[in-house]
Amino acid sequence: DAGVIQSPRHEVTEMGQEVTLRCKPISGHDYLFWYRQTMMRGLELLIYFNNNVPIDDSGMPEDRFSAKMPNASFSTLKIQPSEPRDSAVYFCASSLIGQPQHFGDGTRLSIL
Amino acid sequence: AQSVTQLGSHVSVSEGALVLLRCNYSSSVPPYLFWYVQYPNQGLQLLLKYTSAATLVKGINGFEAEFKKSETSFHLTKPSAHMSDAAEYFCAVSDGNGNKLVFGAGTILRVKS
Repeated sequence: DAGVIQSPRHEVTEMGQEVTLRCKPISGHDYLFWYRQTMMRGLELLIYFNNNVPIDDSGMPEDRFSAKMPNASFSTLKIQPSEPRDSAVYFCASSLIGQPQHFGDGTRLSIL
Repeated sequence: AQSVTQLGSHVSVSEGALVLLRCNYSSSVPPYLFWYVQYPNQGLQLLLKYTSAATLVKGINGFEAEFKKSETSFHLTKPSAHMSDAAEYFCAVSDGNGNKLVFGAGTILRVKS
């Protein structure tokens, strides 16, 4: 069975550039989560969707971050403009209600 | 609000020794509790979960955890460590519907030969 698929696996870009991270959840899952992992702050929930609708975006750090889920099989996390402090590993996860979350392998983002 | 505290950011054991990773939680509602493992350059993989059924939960790779409400703990154990157990382990808590996980800071397990 295909798991959660994230792309790209690695992204290196210069400060000020737009960055788009992509996620394909497990088919049939109705919850999708975006997390950020850093040494300093650990794993932080940024936003989550239920049935393609954003439910809680209180973890989104600032207006430079935005997330969309245009359909049940695709979500994006966008940073515009990017800053060096955005460097982190970003994870996408999906689940059914009441069931554990399944994580993708993450996108390692480096902003120079 | 829910929170998780993992005691010990690094734990080192010898191969074959008991593994004990500590997790204490805080929750205003009956919690769902999880242990995840993360290998280098990979995502998190579920080890086991507690969802108000049996208090002793068995997971993959020989791990188990015991829910102790009186101690608000959910410690992870394995009787005999293998080299392949070296990884980072995360304890997490959620509300009753299992969403919006709150993670602990993680414990890096080192296994010495």
